[in-house]
Amino acid sequence: LAKTTQPISMDSYEGQEVNITCSHNNIATNDYITWYQQFPSQGPRFIIQGYKTKVTNEVASLFIPADRKSSTLSLPRVSLSDTAVYYCLVGDSDSGGGADGLTFGKGTHLIIQP
Amino acid sequence: ETGVTQSPTHLIKTRGQQVTLRCSSQSGHNTVSWYQQALGQGPQFIFQYYREEENGRGNFPPRFSGLQFPNYSSELNVNALELDDSALYLCASSLTGLGETQYFGPGTRLLVL
Repeated sequence: LAKTTQPISMDSYEGQEVNITCSHNNIATNDYITWYQQFPSQGPRFIIQGYKTKVTNEVASLFIPADRKSSTLSLPRVSLSDTAVYYCLVGDSDSGGGADGLTFGKGTHLIIQP
Repeated sequence: ETGVTQSPTHLIKTRGQQVTLRCSSQSGHNTVSWYQQALGQGPQFIFQYYREEENGRGNFPPRFSGLQFPNYSSELNVNALELDDSALYLCASSLTGLGETQYFGPGTRLLVL
């Protein structure tokens, strides 16, 4: 599975747009990019998944350049409740999982201030 | 639709003891995966069960074992507990074992003294 690199922590303010970038230089042709969100003492929650270009849902957008060696999770107009750890995962199935399980790094600790 | 549930929420054991953690998968899901999350780390894959059979395993010793029942609920058993087994144990269910999105439960916090 491709290794991912993302910032350890980020700070922002309520109402701002937050962009978290993940590097995955060794991404394979069949790999998808998936982002999870985790609050303290809770299980991770699926946010968004993409293969190339741009994906948008009601929660976030995911931008993937043509070379797919990085991706950016964009959270529009964040609130205090968006304070959480965000994980970028890359894997060779629809959700980077399957029989090998999901491979999580340490994630990005996003702190939103008033 | 009922989400993934886990029991107990918290547990304290002593070194050398055995523990059983339980997970009920989301309605309609036949695959359950277990993860261990140490403090400050991302979840680490333990193993996955698909239709009552172990379908994949991470880098965990044999004293970590599991079961999946006909209703697709699952157990994680850990024998000969060690201090380093203290962690949040997460269960995730998915529609199939082949890369479907995994939905996580709230976890069981295990403390080994």
